[in-house]
Amino acid sequence: NAGVTQTPKFQVLKTGQSMTLQCAQDMNHEYMSWYRQDPGMGLRLIHYSVGAGITDQGEVPNGYNVSRSTTEDFPLRLLSAAPSQTSVYFCASSPVGDGYTFGSGTRLTVV
Amino acid sequence: AQSVTQLDSHVSVSEGTPVLLRCNYSSSYSPSLFWYVQHPNKGLQLLLKYTSAATLVKGINGFEAEFKKSETSFHLTKPSAHMSDAAEYFCVVSDRLMEYGNKLVFGAGTILRVKS
Repeated sequence: NAGVTQTPKFQVLKTGQSMTLQCAQDMNHEYMSWYRQDPGMGLRLIHYSVGAGITDQGEVPNGYNVSRSTTEDFPLRLLSAAPSQTSVYFCASSPVGDGYTFGSGTRLTVV
Repeated sequence: AQSVTQLDSHVSVSEGTPVLLRCNYSSSYSPSLFWYVQHPNKGLQLLLKYTSAATLVKGINGFEAEFKKSETSFHLTKPSAHMSDAAEYFCVVSDRLMEYGNKLVFGAGTILRVKS
């Protein structure tokens, strides 16, 4: 099925560990973004990309890196996990000037 | 800078009665506006969107929203609530300038409870 695929769905990390959250879309969308969702705060933008090779920071970028080597993939890297990064992470993509399609999310717990 | 205020964190209605979820926005440019719904432990689903065409926008599952520029509002309504409408709803504004990457700014969400 076409859409945005996120892996893994669940992950538990120890403080200080690193990992990569994967995101892939097969709709040839230019824009891709990563959000984190925390209770009572809606979704906050971590990083975004307007096309392959172009990324920029969002509202809460500290502790995260991204790259966009292809149109399809937009991985999010946690450099050294901290308990404050416990959250639900959503990847999303959109064509120019339209609404976003969201993945099903990754629930991350850092202990 | 863009911002979104959802005026109610929780709304409770009886099944069969109207639903009103309120949203005010602030945007420096001509905005796009969206409503998304999130059912428990699920991802986000687009309900409807406003992108400068008709000011009354119809979405899925009987929802609609009216863009009122003078009031900077984009309230979500449904004539008759169904039990399956119980979920969290997010009002979202987007700056359509390409250099901003079509970034979305989310409201804090409104949890809708539907009583039988």
